[in-house]
Amino acid sequence: ETGVTQTPRHLVMGMTNKKSLKCEQHLGHNAMYWYKQSAKKPLELMFVYSLEERVENNSVPSRFSPECPNSSHLFLHLHTLQPEDSALYLCASSRALGRAFQETQYFGPGTRLLVL
Amino acid sequence: TQLLEQSPQFLSIQEGENLTVYCNSSSVFSSLQWYRQEPGEGPVLLVTVVTGGEVKKLKRLTFQFGDARKDSSLHITAAQPGDTGLYLCAGYNSGYGGATNKLIFGTGTLLAVQP
Repeated sequence: ETGVTQTPRHLVMGMTNKKSLKCEQHLGHNAMYWYKQSAKKPLELMFVYSLEERVENNSVPSRFSPECPNSSHLFLHLHTLQPEDSALYLCASSRALGRAFQETQYFGPGTRLLVL
Repeated sequence: TQLLEQSPQFLSIQEGENLTVYCNSSSVFSSLQWYRQEPGEGPVLLVTVVTGGEVKKLKRLTFQFGDARKDSSLHITAAQPGDTGLYLCAGYNSGYGGATNKLIFGTGTLLAVQP
């Protein structure tokens, strides 16, 4: 138990569906992240939020829309996804942004997404 | 683009054997972290190394940061089935100059330790 929870754990959706992934951290952290983990590829950073402000959008298609209503919650809204978007989506949090170099990121268990 | 290549990609060994996983890059990193990810879970941090040449030990795991801060290794002594998982190295890029220092993840090494 890392203090970061994600729901749902598994999701199957069609290409025309709209769904949302939820992440909640119970660690009092100020930074939150979305990563995509695909088979045979390194973890890809998608979005970074610090104090509810988006500070990084790593060239992610607009069919992925993040939302951070407060420092404890992070959402990823999904619409008109493609089969190649099937992956494990991981949320993480850290005390602050990695401005120095030793910020530890705490990961949730991920949402396994399958797009049909 | 900063890349971290890990080798080997897959490793299947018997309980009690020793192994080494490598993490290499042509780029310099201000620090490097090692994570282990078990099936159905997210990565969990094992260690952070900061100084070139630094060696850290965590029970049967020994981590080393290269002198030039471009590479790292993880050595496991007398592996156990509980060591099974995906091992990821991740480096914080140095001198990025932006609002954030990104954590760049390696390609991963999938380790299976057979009883």
